[in-house]
Amino acid sequence: GENVEQHPSTLSVQEGDSAVIKCTYSDSASNYFPWYKQELGKRPQLIIDIRSNVGEKKDQRIAVTLNKTAKHFSLHITETQPEDSAVYFCAASKNDMRFGAGTRLTVKP
Amino acid sequence: GAVVSQHPSRVICKSGTSVKIECRSLDFQATTMFWYRQFPKQSLMLMATSNEGSKATYEQGVEKDKFLINHASLTLSTLTVTSAHPEDSSFYICSARDPLAGGPNEQFFGPGTRLTVL
Repeated sequence: GENVEQHPSTLSVQEGDSAVIKCTYSDSASNYFPWYKQELGKRPQLIIDIRSNVGEKKDQRIAVTLNKTAKHFSLHITETQPEDSAVYFCAASKNDMRFGAGTRLTVKP
Repeated sequence: GAVVSQHPSRVICKSGTSVKIECRSLDFQATTMFWYRQFPKQSLMLMATSNEGSKATYEQGVEKDKFLINHASLTLSTLTVTSAHPEDSSFYICSARDPLAGGPNEQFFGPGTRLTVL
């Protein structure tokens, strides 16, 4: 089955800096790659997603890149703000969805 | 659109009792729903896929007799934790797919249920 690995597990950046989180997946049949932000005790919130027929997608300060050949995808957050502090999960999906282990992002003011 | 609700949001029960959690798609029909479990500071782990009108598909290591799933209608799936024990204490989250609102793979998550077994 699908196996998703996510790095780093924790990331601390200064406000205004960029943050990058990377994930790899194992099943080449996966075709949907969402990124979620989760705050304590809350449901995962979709922040951006990308499908396998696209290499890059951007939405304001957030971008995701996908390399199908290498089976990895990355989340890029620019101009980070303290309110970006949360746990971020990547996931890979064909029919069901498998999550990475999560990255705790801390943005220091 | 594509709103998923869960009930209850929080439940505390004694060891050995059973607890039922409901997952509802409020404004769409969901032939497939998913149940996840999330332990503190860990990721979401898929427990089972719930299919309307048929048996659920359980992930390896998840006991189907302990975690009973019923998906009797297109808007409701239930997860019953039978004979709950303290190690079952976790955050249980359901999700559903609505191909009309998102893409074919996008899942919409419920708010989660915090289960504490004493």
